[in-house]
Amino acid sequence: GAGVSQSPSNKVTEKGKDVELRCDPISGHTALYWYRQSLGQGLEFLIYFQGNSAPDKSGLPSDRFSAERTGGSVSTLTIQRTQQEDSAVYLCASSPDLTGGYGYTFGSGTRLTVV
Amino acid sequence: AQSVTQLGSHVSVSEGALVLLRCNYSSSVPPYLFWYVQYPNQGLQLLLKYTTGATLVKGINGFEAEFKKSETSFHLTKPSAHMSDAAEYFCAVSGADSSYKLIFGSGTRLLVRP
Repeated sequence: GAGVSQSPSNKVTEKGKDVELRCDPISGHTALYWYRQSLGQGLEFLIYFQGNSAPDKSGLPSDRFSAERTGGSVSTLTIQRTQQEDSAVYLCASSPDLTGGYGYTFGSGTRLTVV
Repeated sequence: AQSVTQLGSHVSVSEGALVLLRCNYSSSVPPYLFWYVQYPNQGLQLLLKYTTGATLVKGINGFEAEFKKSETSFHLTKPSAHMSDAAEYFCAVSGADSSYKLIFGSGTRLLVRP
């Protein structure tokens, strides 16, 4: 597609439920990032996929968070047993190459609210 | 580890005045540097980037930034602010280690007074 697509755009879930957030990057982009933006906060790195290499998971806040990227394209971020502190906007970005020299194109995000 | 510091969580200017948003980074190797803008309820849009070459970089909407290695800075400027420039601005760095992980500053909210 023309841009990075994220779905759903908004998600309200009950505490303790699992959620899946989807990111469809720009076709051909080899690098894919997930970030979290809490209210009034900056962007917190979560996970980074680059080509066929093992992902950099160093930013995942707990083992309730996981992500996968299938076929080098679509990525899914899963949050298990959601907590209220998980409420945030989750942003996905992709880049044409592994160095980031082209910059990163961001999606519009998924706003997650845990009630 | 690489990091980015943005001085001032809020900056307020009058319409027509100079915009200056400050960004300093820490890196042991030549970095890639970026400025992104986020309008309310929207994603991030790339304003400009520095990778190599000319240290004065021009971006969209009349913004520019200068990479100063000696000062480890990458400040964002615009000669004359417009009301439409009101948004949050994020400085980011990558390339400082082999993973090229993109690290963001905490952001600066620009307010433009009529």
